[in-house]
Amino acid sequence: NAGVMQNPRHLVRRRGQEARLRCSPMKGHSHVYWYRQLPEEGLKFMVYLQKENIIDESGMPKERFSAEFPKEGPSILRIQQVVRGDSAAYFCASSPFVLDHNEQFFGPGTRLTVL
Amino acid sequence: AQKITQTQPGMFVQEKEAVTLDCTYDTSDPSYGLFWYKQPSSGEMIFLIYQGSYDQQNATEGRYSLNFQKARKSANLVISASQLGDSAMYFCAMREATNTGNQFYFGTGTSLTVIP
Repeated sequence: NAGVMQNPRHLVRRRGQEARLRCSPMKGHSHVYWYRQLPEEGLKFMVYLQKENIIDESGMPKERFSAEFPKEGPSILRIQQVVRGDSAAYFCASSPFVLDHNEQFFGPGTRLTVL
Repeated sequence: AQKITQTQPGMFVQEKEAVTLDCTYDTSDPSYGLFWYKQPSSGEMIFLIYQGSYDQQNATEGRYSLNFQKARKSANLVISASQLGDSAMYFCAMREATNTGNQFYFGTGTSLTVIP
């Protein structure tokens, strides 16, 4: 059973370009979470998705950021017109929907560098 | 109010000694879970230990134990017999159940350095 997969592992973009980060959850997991970790800081929740549904996007910046988790395929975090402040590690985690004892399984992260 | 508070930005411990990393939490949800994760310099997040709000006993996983004090809303991580490989960032996290799923909150982390 493969773990959570994220690609690319490293992404370099110039200011103004778009960044697309992909996350494939563990098999059987229907919940995906995206977090951002700025250098020397902890994880900050961004968005929580189920298949075809955004459950909670309270941590997402209002502009330039969007996320989706289609019925087929990976979850995508899209950052449009990137700026230097978007440089960070972006982690995806998945979990099954079981009300008791849910661990989040983390992917290895995508490190975005904006030049 | 912060959902998860880790008040120790950095900690040092002598190799083979025990160390306690503090974590307090804030929730009104009667059913919640508490987690600790380790993030070494390589960057991945590694699950260490879990404690459910209804668990009567403190969770243990090898050299890791969670000192769960429900009335104080604290969930401190104890690492016994520290090893050099334990040097890493440690994050405390909490899961709250909602109508549509689970929400997770993370603390700001504690950087642990094990001294030979």
